[in-house]
Amino acid sequence: AQSVAQPEDQVNVAEGNPLTVKCTYSVSGNPYLFWYVQYPNRGLQFLLKYITGDNLVKGSYGFEAEFNKSQTSFHLKKPSALVSDSALYFCAVRDSGAGSYQLTFGKGTKLSVIP
Amino acid sequence: EPEVTQTPSHQVTQMGQEVILRCVPISNHLYFYWYRQILGQKVEFLVSFYNNEISEKSEIFDDQFSVERPDGSNFTLKIRSTKLEDSAMYFCASSETTGNNSPLHFGNGTRLTVT
Repeated sequence: AQSVAQPEDQVNVAEGNPLTVKCTYSVSGNPYLFWYVQYPNRGLQFLLKYITGDNLVKGSYGFEAEFNKSQTSFHLKKPSALVSDSALYFCAVRDSGAGSYQLTFGKGTKLSVIP
Repeated sequence: EPEVTQTPSHQVTQMGQEVILRCVPISNHLYFYWYRQILGQKVEFLVSFYNNEISEKSEIFDDQFSVERPDGSNFTLKIRSTKLEDSAMYFCASSETTGNNSPLHFGNGTRLTVT
């Protein structure tokens, strides 16, 4: 079975500082990994994905994520946080070996960027 | 940018009543999904739909649930006899393919409250 863990319910960071939102996963095959962001009263918005290739992937709004196979992690990062980045962030995984296309989401991490 | 649209944004219903949640996927997308998010919990997969039939469903998607694409644009989720525990945010999503390079695009959700 595939699963995702986001160990932090909330992350607080000062504006202009680097931010990291953590995600670890568990799959039986190769992982396909995604980050989504949810603003209040909005749906989930795709940020970036890792399928194969370079371990560092870049996405929307200056976000990037690093795939680390040995640590089974896919942490979301941004060099300089903006107040407008404050939102709920979800990591998701799809197992390439499961014969299923459904995404399994983490429980979400609330990011608050303090001015 | 094309969007997935969902109506209504909020639906209140009494236990035992039938509800239909509506979605208009992005026009050139071929795969459609429903996910739900109970307050404070994970986003959970319900069902995927392609070529006018269900391609995959979770154990949550029992006989009380059904999906339909009644015309060329709408994709609906019906809950036949609602229970209190069906109260959640329901998200519709679509993708061009089920290929791993095709991310899901989500609507803003319908908040279902069962009283």
